[in-house]
Amino acid sequence: NAGVTQTPKFRVLKTGQSMTLLCAQDMNHEYMYWYRQDPGMGLRLIHYSVGEGTTAKGEVPDGYNVSRLKKQNFLLGLESAAPSQTSVYFCASSYSAGGRETQYFGPGTRLLVL
Amino acid sequence: AQSVTQPDIHITVSEGASLELRCNYSYGATPYLFWYVQSPGQGLQLLLKYFSGDTLVQGIKGFEAEFKRSQSSFNLRKPSVHWSDAAEYFCAVGAQVPDSWGKLQFGAGTQVVVTP
Repeated sequence: NAGVTQTPKFRVLKTGQSMTLLCAQDMNHEYMYWYRQDPGMGLRLIHYSVGEGTTAKGEVPDGYNVSRLKKQNFLLGLESAAPSQTSVYFCASSYSAGGRETQYFGPGTRLLVL
Repeated sequence: AQSVTQPDIHITVSEGASLELRCNYSYGATPYLFWYVQSPGQGLQLLLKYFSGDTLVQGIKGFEAEFKRSQSSFNLRKPSVHWSDAAEYFCAVGAQVPDSWGKLQFGAGTQVVVTP
């Protein structure tokens, strides 16, 4: 099993450009999450999904959109990138509900917006 | 809403010495508590978690943590540190209410450096 994979690993964008980050998991997990990690701030939840076809806002959703058309994939989109979105993005997944479930993380995508 | 504080941004410890990382949380009820570790250039990996029962929790890689309700703390410990324990450690808290399931609040992290 590959676990949670993220594509791409690294990307440089110019301000105003758009891009999509792809997260895939092969563990048949219901829940998927997108976080951003910034120095001194830990991880902050951007959006999450509790199942195929559903998405919800997290702590810092502005400037991002997500889609979960297939259970195994969770896409994060930046429609018009801004320097403030320079960050490391992590995707995670967990089995069903309950709050006590372990989240499994991907290796991250490092994004630089110039 | 829940929140997490990791008071120590950076800790340096000698190999073979003991390690304790502090975590304080704020939440109105008993939370779910987690410790994750992030090695350089990697994603996060769960070390251990607490949600009920015995307040001393054993995890992987020889780590343990103790939940102290009176102090709102969930400190992580390891008796003897190995060089491979150099990493960043994150404490996280989750709420036990259904509409908050899975929505973890992470601390800012503690960077651990291990010296020979």
